[in-house]
Amino acid sequence: GAGVSQSPRYKVTKRGQDVTLRCDPISSHATLYWYQQALGQGPEFLTYFNYEAQPDKSGLPSDRFSAERPEGSISTLTIQRTEQRDSAMYRCASSSGTGGGSTQYFGPGTRLLVL
Amino acid sequence: KNEVEQSPQNLTAQEGEFITINCSYSVGISALHWLQQHPGGGIVSLFMLSSGKKKHGRLIATINIQEKHSSLHITASHPRDSAVYICAAPLNYGGSQGNLIFGKGTKLSVKP
Repeated sequence: GAGVSQSPRYKVTKRGQDVTLRCDPISSHATLYWYQQALGQGPEFLTYFNYEAQPDKSGLPSDRFSAERPEGSISTLTIQRTEQRDSAMYRCASSSGTGGGSTQYFGPGTRLLVL
Repeated sequence: KNEVEQSPQNLTAQEGEFITINCSYSVGISALHWLQQHPGGGIVSLFMLSSGKKKHGRLIATINIQEKHSSLHITASHPRDSAVYICAAPLNYGGSQGNLIFGKGTKLSVKP
């Protein structure tokens, strides 16, 4: 596609429910990143994929968080048993390369509110 | 201590002023990124630089690798420049992993 897309753009859920967020990266991009951004803060790394491989998930805050990219394109981020502290903007970015010298293209984000 | 620090946190300027936002980092990096977060929330990559200076329109980014410092300058600022400007550095210097450590951002407001 022309850019990185994410869905839904907004999600309101009740504490304890599971949510799944979707990211559709730029079609030629091998690398996909997930970031969490609290209000008034900069994004923080959650996990990343190189095609379907997930070399680093050290930023996931707990085992309630998981991510997949089974075919190396679309990715999902699932939060199980949501808690109010999970409320944040979840951003996806993709890049053509894997290193720090590659430009990352960000999606519009999914704003999650856990009541 | 955050490995990427920005100053100032907030900046208000009059239209036409020259603006400077500073970024200091403590990690070794392969490249430093400057991003712009629009009031609507979208993030756009402005620059990625590993040495010297880059210019795009009224925006100029410089980096001093030895001093681990970068600056973003905006010349002839305009109200449409109002946004949050974020600098970010890759976690692993020279490695294959590019996930970024972000500064907290500088909120710029340019008044007409």
